[in-house]
Order: sequence, then structure tokens, then C-alpha cells
Amino acid sequence: DVKVTQSSRYLVKRTGEKVFLECVQDMDHENMFWYRQDPGLGLRLIYFSYDVKMKEKGDIPEGYSVSREKKERFSLILESASTNQTSMYLCASSLFLGGGMNTEAFFGQGTRLTVV
Amino acid sequence: QKEVEQDPGPLSVPEGAIVSLNCTYSNSAFQYFMWYRQYSRKGPELLMYTYSSGNKEDGRFTAQVDKSSKYISLFIRDSQPSDSATYLCAPTDRGSTLGRLYFGRGTQLTVWP
Repeated sequence: DVKVTQSSRYLVKRTGEKVFLECVQDMDHENMFWYRQDPGLGLRLIYFSYDVKMKEKGDIPEGYSVSREKKERFSLILESASTNQTSMYLCASSLFLGGGMNTEAFFGQGTRLTVV
Repeated sequence: QKEVEQDPGPLSVPEGAIVSLNCTYSNSAFQYFMWYRQYSRKGPELLMYTYSSGNKEDGRFTAQVDKSSKYISLFIRDSQPSDSATYLCAPTDRGSTLGRLYFGRGTQLTVWP
């Protein structure tokens, strides 16, 4: 079974702190994604990566950065946490099959971040 | 206009009811149409997917796509309390080599005994 593991289920941070959310997948997937999920807004893509050291902005990258130094690990960084970044953060990965095709995305359990 | 529109509900039905969940989309390039199910406090999991227009059946679940009207449906027959979850439609296009999915807001479904 594919496993996508997020380092924390619940996190409470103070405004202005630098926050690291870690995600590790164990199936050698090329693609990795960070989403945030908010009531009424659904899943919104923050950043994604299709290879080591490669990254692409999603729909809401402001206030976030990412790091992918190893294929299995994709980190989301909140440079200076703010209360409007309180949310559920979901990491996902998928396998590139070639010919423009990818497997479906496999999700981690999520990290519920509260910024106070 | 958002790429994918989905009524968030909530939808509450009795056990045994037929449930219809729907999405509309705007991007004509979408060719793969996925449905994810998300239980409370869990990450989404792929339920089923269809390619292009047509129907696909998997047990009590039927996914239907009408590309001419850009309309996606998921039907659940003989619904069970264990079906209580949030259902997210997620189309994607073949040209998306980065595996990008475009999620609807999700519909929260409760099936009561």
C-alpha cells in the first residue's frame, strides 16, 4: 500500500513563527502536492513538485514556500505564520506513468494547524 | 469562474436511499474524472474514476460523465451509514503531466440509520 505520512496530526503555533510541515511518501512517486482544506472552500493547491528540487506554484502560494531535497520528502514552510493560515494541510503524491499520464493522488492524513 | 463547481450540501438521507452527487466544470480539456471520498479527520481516498463520457459502475456506486454539458455525477444505491463522508469530484486532463487535480468543494453526506 502507498503510504503518505505527515509528521504531525495537530500543531499549534504562534503568529510570526516559522513553521515546517513535513511529508514523506514511500512509493517512489515523482509528483508531490500540498493542499489546504477549509470549510466551504474545499481543497486548494498551494505548491506542487514533479521532481527533486523542482517546484511549481499552485493557486494560493502566497505566504508559503516548499522544499524538495529528496524524492520521498516534500516540506511546506510557512515563513511567518499568520492566523489566516489556520487550516487543515494535506500532502499528496502520485506516480508519473509517462505519456502524459499519472496515477491518482494518494493523500496523507492531514495536519490541522492552528495559528494563535 | 472556478474550474469545478460542486454543491457543498450538507446532504442528509435515510439508509437505503439513492444518493445523487453532482459537479459541473468549465475546462473542455478534462478527460479523467475522479471521485474521492473523505471520512472525518482523514485524508481523501480515491473512490472511482471514469474516462471521457459515459458510465462506470462499481458495486453500489455509479459514476457518470456528460462531456457535452460538462456535468459529472456520482450515484450511490442502497446508501449505508458507512457512506457518510465528504465526496469530492476531481477532474484532470491528459496533458497534465504534473498530475494536477482540480477539486470541487466537496459534498458532505450523512446517511442516518
